[in-house]
Amino acid sequence: GAGVSQSPSNKVTEKGKDVELRCDPISGHTALYWYRQRLGQGLEFLIYFQGNSAPDKSGLPSDRFSAERTGESVSTLTIQRTQQEDSAVYLCASSQTVQPQHFGDGTRLSIL
Amino acid sequence: TQLLEQSPQFLSIQEGENLTVYCNSSSVFSSLQWYRQEPGEGPVLLVTVVTGGEVKKLKRLTFQFGDARKDSSLHITAAQPGDTGLYLCAGVSGSSNTGKLIFGQGTTLQVKP
Repeated sequence: GAGVSQSPSNKVTEKGKDVELRCDPISGHTALYWYRQRLGQGLEFLIYFQGNSAPDKSGLPSDRFSAERTGESVSTLTIQRTQQEDSAVYLCASSQTVQPQHFGDGTRLSIL
Repeated sequence: TQLLEQSPQFLSIQEGENLTVYCNSSSVFSSLQWYRQEPGEGPVLLVTVVTGGEVKKLKRLTFQFGDARKDSSLHITAAQPGDTGLYLCAGVSGSSNTGKLIFGQGTTLQVKP
């Protein structure tokens, strides 16, 4: 597709379960970012990939959060043992260099 | 830690009114971006300002970057209901080579017909 694609668009899960969120960046974009957005708020940086490496993981809030990228393409953000405070929209962005970033529509995660 | 303070957080105005949104920091940014976000969608880039003192116009929207590259403003003239949405400012750290964006808290704008 022409844009950044994220799946699922919505995810509802029970507290304590693990979840995987997927991001398909724009083809050829080497930089990939994950952000978290709480309701009505700005975005918080989580992690940055350049190719398949993650030189900046400084925004991951705890060791329950991890991410990987393969083939310089698809990225997966995994949250283990989900907590209610993890409820948010998780947004992925990609770029050819570092700017400008093109955002997907996000995955809305709800923890019951 | 770099922070961007965005104000006001909420703004409800009548069609035809003017408004200004502010974005302030104690830190220097190499560039600053403004985004607009609709419900259920990702942010869409409106403009990037790079040079201190820079002013950019996009139809009824005017963007300014402060001389010291620590603050920015978005001014909308004669707001229309179609301008309703969440407006976000985001800065790129002057010392960062990762391009990660530091976002303000956002301004929710409602323009009533």
